[in-house]
Amino acid sequence: NAGVTQTPKFQVLKTGQSMTLQCAQDMNHEYMSWYRQDPGMGLRLIHYSVGAGITDQGEVPNGYNVSRSTTEDFPLRLLSAAPSQTSVYFCASRETGGNNQPQHFGDGTRLSIL
Amino acid sequence: AQTVTQSQPEMSVQEAETVTLSCTYDTSESNYYLFWYKQPPSRQMILVIRQEAYKQQNATENRFSVNFQKAAKSFSLKISDSQLGDTAMYFCAFVMDSNYQLIWGAGTKLIIKP
Repeated sequence: NAGVTQTPKFQVLKTGQSMTLQCAQDMNHEYMSWYRQDPGMGLRLIHYSVGAGITDQGEVPNGYNVSRSTTEDFPLRLLSAAPSQTSVYFCASRETGGNNQPQHFGDGTRLSIL
Repeated sequence: AQTVTQSQPEMSVQEAETVTLSCTYDTSESNYYLFWYKQPPSRQMILVIRQEAYKQQNATENRFSVNFQKAAKSFSLKISDSQLGDTAMYFCAFVMDSNYQLIWGAGTKLIIKP
């Protein structure tokens, strides 16, 4: 099993550019989520999904879009990149059994906006 | 609002010593789940241990154990016989039974010295 796979691992963008961070999992998990990690802060939830076709906003959704057309994939789109979006982004998935289930994380994408 | 506080930004101990990382949280709900995650320099996020709030018995996983004090809303992590591979950022997090959002602390950087 590959687990949770994120691509790319690193990306540099210019202000105003758009891009999509890819996330795929092969564990048949219904729940998937995107976090950002900034220095000195815990992870903050951007968007999450409880199944194909269902998405919802987390704590910091502004400037980001998501969609969930399949169970496996949960891409995160930056519509118009801003320097404040410079961060490390993590995708995670979790079994549907309940909130006591641990999350499985990808290796992260380090994104720099110039 | 629900919050998680990790009051020790950085700690260092000698190899083989025991170290305790503190975590306090704030919630008005009675059913929730607590987690400790480890993030080594490789950036991977790895589950260390978890605890269900309705269980009075403290969770243990090999050298890792927790001291869960529900009334005090405290969830500290004890690492016994610390090893060089324990060097990492440690994050405390909790999620309520009533929603999906995992709330994270800012992390404690733990350095194990040879």
